[in-house]
Amino acid sequence: GESVGLHLPTLSVQEGDNSIINCAYSNSASDYFIWYKQESGKGPQFIIDIRSNMDKRQGQRVTVLLNKTVKHLSLQIAATQPGDSAVYFCAENFSGGYNKLIFGAGTRLAVHP
Amino acid sequence: GAVVSQHPSWVICKSGTSVKIECRSLDFQATTMFWYRQFPKQSLMLMATSNEGSKATYEQGVEKDKFLINHASLTLSTLTVTSAHPEDSSFYICSAFGLAGDAKNIQYFGAGTRLSVL
Repeated sequence: GESVGLHLPTLSVQEGDNSIINCAYSNSASDYFIWYKQESGKGPQFIIDIRSNMDKRQGQRVTVLLNKTVKHLSLQIAATQPGDSAVYFCAENFSGGYNKLIFGAGTRLAVHP
Repeated sequence: GAVVSQHPSWVICKSGTSVKIECRSLDFQATTMFWYRQFPKQSLMLMATSNEGSKATYEQGVEKDKFLINHASLTLSTLTVTSAHPEDSSFYICSAFGLAGDAKNIQYFGAGTRLSVL
């Protein structure tokens, strides 16, 4: 079946640097994408979302970029902090799919002081 | 706003017993709730979609008689793992999807329930 995948399983960055987490999706019909952050032993926490009619959306210290041509999604975190250390999942949704989310494999972000 | 509460957070049970996990949307009405399963260092796998007042829709490969889902109200869904076995040990997470207020058409997740079957 179609799935959402990630290029990098682990990303290590220095505190203060910018982080970029990538995600590839395969369902061209997906029209809504979400990034979640999951800390150890906790449920996913919503970070930012983007709809397919946009190619960029900014939040507080985070930016999501969507490239529909190559079916690629990225999450940029500015000035990464130790509290950003977690596993990040991208998820895709097809509006005709009853709001079901398909999650990617996840990328672990490790922030070093 | 948009808080999803899941209970219990951790449960240990003997093989053959049943365990019930509750998922509540605290400050919004959730027309749809989802149940996921997550193994260590893996992603979330959708088990079933729960709609208030109707039968749950299970994903392929998920035994509906094994994982009983009830969504009796707009704020509560329960997952019962029946006759649990060690292979059912996992992290179970619910999410609630709401259309009103702070829910804003987004899935919000509970904190998860770690099930350990001895």
